[in-house]
Amino acid sequence: NAGVTQTPKFQVLKTGQSMTLQCAQDMNHNSMYWYRQDPGMGLRLIYYSASEGTTDKGEVPNGYNVSRLNKREFSLRLESAAPSQTSVYFCASSEMGQLGNTIYFGEGSWLTVV
Amino acid sequence: AQKVTQAQTEISVVEKEDVTLDCVYETRDTTYYLFWYKQPPSGELVFLIRRNSFDEQNEISGRYSWNFQKSTSSFNFTITASQVVDSAVYFCALRGNTGGFKTIFGAGTRLFVKA
Repeated sequence: NAGVTQTPKFQVLKTGQSMTLQCAQDMNHNSMYWYRQDPGMGLRLIYYSASEGTTDKGEVPNGYNVSRLNKREFSLRLESAAPSQTSVYFCASSEMGQLGNTIYFGEGSWLTVV
Repeated sequence: AQKVTQAQTEISVVEKEDVTLDCVYETRDTTYYLFWYKQPPSGELVFLIRRNSFDEQNEISGRYSWNFQKSTSSFNFTITASQVVDSAVYFCALRGNTGGFKTIFGAGTRLFVKA
């Protein structure tokens, strides 16, 4: 009963380092998302992929890149990490095309940039 | 633009008290969905309920109930006879039929239930 799996769960980076957060879902969902969660700001959408082969910017895309590797996998890359990117990152997925489709989340990745 | 406001940052209650978490939303979309998620201390986000804009019936699930009022753009969540296990951050979210089906979340309400 894996659902959405993301790795790593915890990571500490130095300013300027790069890293990739990996995400995979086994629910055969078409759409995938990356959110970040910061205190008092709820969840903000970084990037999303409505379907395999497409990606679009969300509310806060600056400093990030994404790759929809296949239907199952959607990765988030920080090319040059900054302290402002210290956050909890959530990957999520849903069916495509239906307004009411529920988003299901992974367990989160805690990232600290020092 | 779409917006979700959860004005209550933190709420503290004693076990067995009833508590209502407020959610007010803004959208110009005629068709939209509203969601509630729970984030317990372990950190995962758990889906609780989904409601579409054409269905204003209140819903009850055990100790949880939801009151959707289109006239006031509110989708409030009530926990009856709260328990310590209800301690969590609760998020309200909105998805409209424009803007690429993006889901907008409120800032969350942290609920503390004391024994």
